[in-house]
Amino acid sequence: ETGVTQTPRHLVMGMTNKKSLKCEQHLGHNAMYWYKQSAKKPLELMFVYSLEERVENNSVPSRFSPECPNSSHLFLHLHTLQPEDSALYLCASSHHHREGQEKLFFGSGTQLSVL
Amino acid sequence: SQQGEEDPQALSIQEGENATMNCSYKTSINNLQWYRQNSGRGLVHLILIRSNEREKHSGRLRVTLDTSKKSSSLLITASRAADTASYFCAFNFGNEKLTFGTGTRLTIIP
Repeated sequence: ETGVTQTPRHLVMGMTNKKSLKCEQHLGHNAMYWYKQSAKKPLELMFVYSLEERVENNSVPSRFSPECPNSSHLFLHLHTLQPEDSALYLCASSHHHREGQEKLFFGSGTQLSVL
Repeated sequence: SQQGEEDPQALSIQEGENATMNCSYKTSINNLQWYRQNSGRGLVHLILIRSNEREKHSGRLRVTLDTSKKSSSLLITASRAADTASYFCAFNFGNEKLTFGTGTRLTIIP
């Protein structure tokens, strides 16, 4: 148990569906992240909420929309996804300070399949 | 690209042997970290080594860092079947977020 909880663990959705992934951390961290992990590719950082700022990877399509209502909760809203969006989506948290990023604590991930 | 490169991509060894994985990067870094991932699960942090450190130990893990060669290695001694997993290096430079390597898939044969 890492202190970061993701739901659901598995999700199958059609291309016209709207769904949301949820992440919650109980570690008192001040930064939360969404990563995408596709087969045979490095982890891709999608979004970061850090020190009350939101940092985006500009290559992430607008069909992915993050929401961070407070420092403990993070959502990833999904709509009109494509089959190539099928991947493992990982949430992580850390303590972030101006000198750089310390170690990440990951959730177990949501395995997403888009049909 | 600031992406890290790891080698080998895959490694199979007999239980009890030592496993060594390597990571290379391209810029000066603040720290370098190693993570482990069991299939279909999240990553688990193993060890962090700072740019002013050369070696660090944690249990059966030994990490070295050579900033002149921009490389790091992870050694797992006396491997066990439960060590079967993918191992990733990750590093950050300046105020940037962590960049992950491509990973080494380690298989321990009982």
